Amino acid sequence: GENVEQHPSTLSVQEGDSAVIKCTYSDSASNYFPWYKQELGKGPQLIIDIRSNVGEKKDQRIAVTLNKTAKHFSLHITETQPEDSAVYFCAATRALWGAQKLVFGQGTRLTINP
Amino acid sequence: EAGVVQSPRYKIIEKKQPVAFWCNPISGHNTLYWYLQNLGQGPELLIRYENEEAVDDSQLPKDRFSAERLKGVDSTLKIQPAELGDSAVYLCASSSQAGTTDTQYFGPGTRLTVL
Repeated sequence: GENVEQHPSTLSVQEGDSAVIKCTYSDSASNYFPWYKQELGKGPQLIIDIRSNVGEKKDQRIAVTLNKTAKHFSLHITETQPEDSAVYFCAATRALWGAQKLVFGQGTRLTINP
Repeated sequence: EAGVVQSPRYKIIEKKQPVAFWCNPISGHNTLYWYLQNLGQGPELLIRYENEEAVDDSQLPKDRFSAERLKGVDSTLKIQPAELGDSAVYLCASSSQAGTTDTQYFGPGTRLTVL
């Protein structure tokens, strides 16, 4: 089955700097890669996703890149703000008809220092 | 639009006791998921429902865990008897269409502590 590795486990950056979180996956058939943000006491919330037919996607300060050959994808947050502090999870799945099983990475605790 | 609702938010029980968690998905979402999230880890799928049918329960420990989704809306996850290792957050999520990569929306979770 799919296995997702996420690095780093913790990341601390100065406010205004950029943050990058990386994930690798094992199943070459995986074709959907969402990123979730989880704040303390809350459930994960989708912040951006990318499908395997696209190499990069951007939404304001957040971008995701995908390298299918190397089987890795990354989350980029620019101009970080204190409210970006949270735990971020990447996930991967092979979307087949009647099957959608997200496999999550271990999470990255991002701290933005003012 | 109301999000996924879960109750209770917190539950403390002694080992060997039973416990149940309830989930109300987003209105109109036919797919419902239960995840287990251990401290410092990502969520792990326990069971997935499409309407009232459990289509993927391969990760559900069936000796002590059970789930149901009567009428294809609300769902209940039960543990009987609970063990110390069951202490975790139990997350419910829903999405609008089975077999696609539609967004999974998560509830706030139920934090279970087994003493």
